[in-house]
Amino acid sequence: GAVVSQHPSWVICKSGTSVKIECRSLDFQATTMFWYRQFPKQSLMLMATSNEGSKATYEQGVEKDKFLINHASLTLSTLTVTSAHPEDSSFYICSAQTVRGSPQYFGPGTRLLVL
Amino acid sequence: KQEVTQIPAALSVPEGENLVLNCSFTDSAIYNLQWFRQDPGKGLTSLLLIQSSQREQTSGRLNASLDKSSGRSTLYIAASQPGDSATYLCAVRDYGGSQGNLIFGKGTKLSVKP
Repeated sequence: GAVVSQHPSWVICKSGTSVKIECRSLDFQATTMFWYRQFPKQSLMLMATSNEGSKATYEQGVEKDKFLINHASLTLSTLTVTSAHPEDSSFYICSAQTVRGSPQYFGPGTRLLVL
Repeated sequence: KQEVTQIPAALSVPEGENLVLNCSFTDSAIYNLQWFRQDPGKGLTSLLLIQSSQREQTSGRLNASLDKSSGRSTLYIAASQPGDSATYLCAVRDYGGSQGNLIFGKGTKLSVKP
């Protein structure tokens, strides 16, 4: 089946530093990748949608200059949390799909803790 | 704006019981509905996907139904086992935006006691 990986699985960083999270589709080409954030006991909230080779589309309330998304290839998207603050601590999950309407396959998530 | 609600928020049952998890959504114009399982600190595992034209889907001990007109879906788990303990998320894909985003409920945390 379709496999999506994320790296790292968890990261602890100091406030003010930047953190990059990678999302890879291992056995299929992902035209579209999605980035979600999940706070404790809350639902997954879509942050942004990225199509390979074009700029990401951000959801309302998500700062595009703070959460930089790059989708340079059909198998890799990266999310960079710039100048991270403690309130950015969360569980970040990516998903990937081949074409619109096809199932989304989710990565295992990255837990970010900003001290 | 599409909203997805799951009831109950938490459920504890003894092993062997059959159980039903509920999901409701406010806008019936959906593309499909999906049930996921999430183990603590982990990503999502897709359980069942129901297209808007379908009424139900089955996989093993799991059966999901969809009543689009009333904005409801149920996930039925037969003969529950301790390994079924997890959070179950319901998500709908609507036609909003250019990508047809998945909109999630907050989940039902299931605990199956041996």
